[in-house]
Amino acid sequence: QQQVKQSPQSLIVQKGGISIINCAYENTAFDYFPWYQQFPGKGPALLIAIRPDVSEKKEGRFTISFNKSAKQFSLHIMDSQPGDSATYFCAASGGSSNTGKLIFGQGTTLQVKP
Amino acid sequence: GAGVSQSPSNKVTEKGKDVELRCDPISGHTALYWYRQSLGQGLEFLIYFQGNSAPDKSGLPSDRFSAERTGGSVSTLTIQRTQQEDSAVYLCASSSSLNTEAFFGQGTRLTVV
Repeated sequence: QQQVKQSPQSLIVQKGGISIINCAYENTAFDYFPWYQQFPGKGPALLIAIRPDVSEKKEGRFTISFNKSAKQFSLHIMDSQPGDSATYFCAASGGSSNTGKLIFGQGTTLQVKP
Repeated sequence: GAGVSQSPSNKVTEKGKDVELRCDPISGHTALYWYRQSLGQGLEFLIYFQGNSAPDKSGLPSDRFSAERTGGSVSTLTIQRTQQEDSAVYLCASSSSLNTEAFFGQGTRLTVV
């Protein structure tokens, strides 16, 4: 119930391509879905987040798509750049049984080839 | 401070010793999290403090692990009788309230030899 499942584990994309990372959850009480980006040796940093009252949120080249009925959400990186090479984590929180703690997916290592 | 500060940044300790890891959250943030990240792995939840509520300790892997948060600010994660499997990066994060952006520190890399 508390798990967030993320796929793929790793992804290689050519420069200019679209990177897509998917996450699925079970707990319907979750109401906050952020994506974090982590570079080697650094802590994760918030990239973009969505709440279930909208189906899509776009910030620059980054878009979250949210499917409430399927309990899935995904991150799309348009025009992927070598500088986007990092590990990406989805997360979820919310609901009375969750107390607000963020539960993370296992991460996706993205490599963008020049 | 401007962000979440963790100290030390690196810690090497001998098996069986106790260690203390410190986290200074962003001023005014009521929520504080500890996570563990093993090499190339995801973020394993350890413990969560929210205001004056009892902490959510459901992620602590054993009774050798404990954490406290004094005065609603600084937090210390203590690992007693360290084992080699405790080697990991320990990350602290804070947020201003429930279900909002969590800001992470740089982490403490713990190596147990």
